[in-house]
Amino acid sequence: DGGITQSPKYLFRKEGQNVTLSCEQNLNHDAMYWYRQDPGQGLRLIYYSQIVNDFQKGDIAEGYSVSREKKESFPLTVTSAQKNPTAFYLCASNDRAGRNQPQHFGDGTRLSIL
Amino acid sequence: EDQVTQSPEALRLQEGESSSLNCSYTVSGLRGLFWYRQDPGKGPEFLFTLYSAGEEKEKERLKATLTKKESFLHITAPKPEDSATYLCAVQAASGGSYIPTFGRGTSLIVHP
Repeated sequence: DGGITQSPKYLFRKEGQNVTLSCEQNLNHDAMYWYRQDPGQGLRLIYYSQIVNDFQKGDIAEGYSVSREKKESFPLTVTSAQKNPTAFYLCASNDRAGRNQPQHFGDGTRLSIL
Repeated sequence: EDQVTQSPEALRLQEGESSSLNCSYTVSGLRGLFWYRQDPGKGPEFLFTLYSAGEEKEKERLKATLTKKESFLHITAPKPEDSATYLCAVQAASGGSYIPTFGRGTSLIVHP
């Protein structure tokens, strides 16, 4: 079955530590996205990539970094510069660079501070 | 700036009590409006895409409709398993990036 796999499901970060969230898709989609979801708020875009080796900042990119070395993979690093990282992180993908296409989502990673 | 407002924020229904969720939007050049269902601790699951005013889509107890300013998700005779957060997103052709704008969602609880 095709889909998006996010890991780990739960992640804990210590002060000053960088952590990396994994996102892998086997849907052969061109575009991939990272969102942050906080209680009572909509999905906020962190970064997106429409093609391998290229990515763009979203609305809340500060304190985060990404890479897109392979079509299937779009890892997100939460750096120590992100002072409020506790949230539910969602990875998504869609086809044809997103034109008129719904997004497919993974089941998220919940990040907390120790 | 594209805006999406969903109402109500929360809705409690008795099993079998039909109702509607609203998604109002302001975009320039709507490309598509998407409805998703999200269960607690899970990622959103795609339900419907609507492309033009007057369009309707149905799936089991759910029916989505679209006008030039808003979309409704009608839930007919809901069951407890319909309890979830329903998200609306709009996609416009702004800047050519086709990045959707999401509303904050409506949390639906259906009591048996």
